[in-house]
Amino acid sequence: SYVLTQSPSVSLAPGQTARFSCGGNNIASESVHWYQQKPGQAPVLVVYDDSARPSGIPERFSGAKAGNTATLTISSVEAGDEADYYCQVWHSSRDLWVFGGGTKLTLL
Amino acid sequence: QVQLVESGGGVVQPGRSLRLSCAASGFTFSHYDIHWVRQAPGKGLEWVGVISYDGSSKFYADSVKGRFTISRDNSRNTLYLQMISLGGEDTAVYRCAKPRSGSNYEAFDYWGQGALVTVSS
Repeated sequence: SYVLTQSPSVSLAPGQTARFSCGGNNIASESVHWYQQKPGQAPVLVVYDDSARPSGIPERFSGAKAGNTATLTISSVEAGDEADYYCQVWHSSRDLWVFGGGTKLTLL
Repeated sequence: QVQLVESGGGVVQPGRSLRLSCAASGFTFSHYDIHWVRQAPGKGLEWVGVISYDGSSKFYADSVKGRFTISRDNSRNTLYLQMISLGGEDTAVYRCAKPRSGSNYEAFDYWGQGALVTVSS
């Protein structure tokens, strides 16, 4: 089965830069999307198609991809950024969507 | 504004069936493929399946294939998830989600708040 690998957790102080990685075979050829999910809430799309930002998402959120690893970056993290972050790709050869296991961002 | 509202969740015994609904508003429902995504308590997101805008095409995760069926009624702007032979591993919050454009291949820009399904004797 197709797997997207994310680190389980990231802990940072306010004002630092958060980087979340997402690795998977053939990810280089697929669009990667990123979601933020706060406790008890539905996920929110923060980056789509590797690096595009939906309207209403701050410029502090950015996405990039190099080879088989995609990265979501949040610059100058704030208390309101504490959440779980998930990457997602469409596995075209199997006609199914895959989510990474998620990374929990905790502010110190 | 776009709204997706799930209903039909509850407690169900192992081996039994349940049907969830997702009522959509604020966009042209009949133009969009729609997804179901679930999340077990304390766990990550798991894609369940998708139905095409006209109901002619459906794809499912391996974990639910043969047990879950997605359908839709475009005249009622409603999506359904019929679940049979439920087991403890199906306990989760189930959410419907809309892609950015009509296509299944786009990121999900709107999600419902979810319906909790608990499989327990």
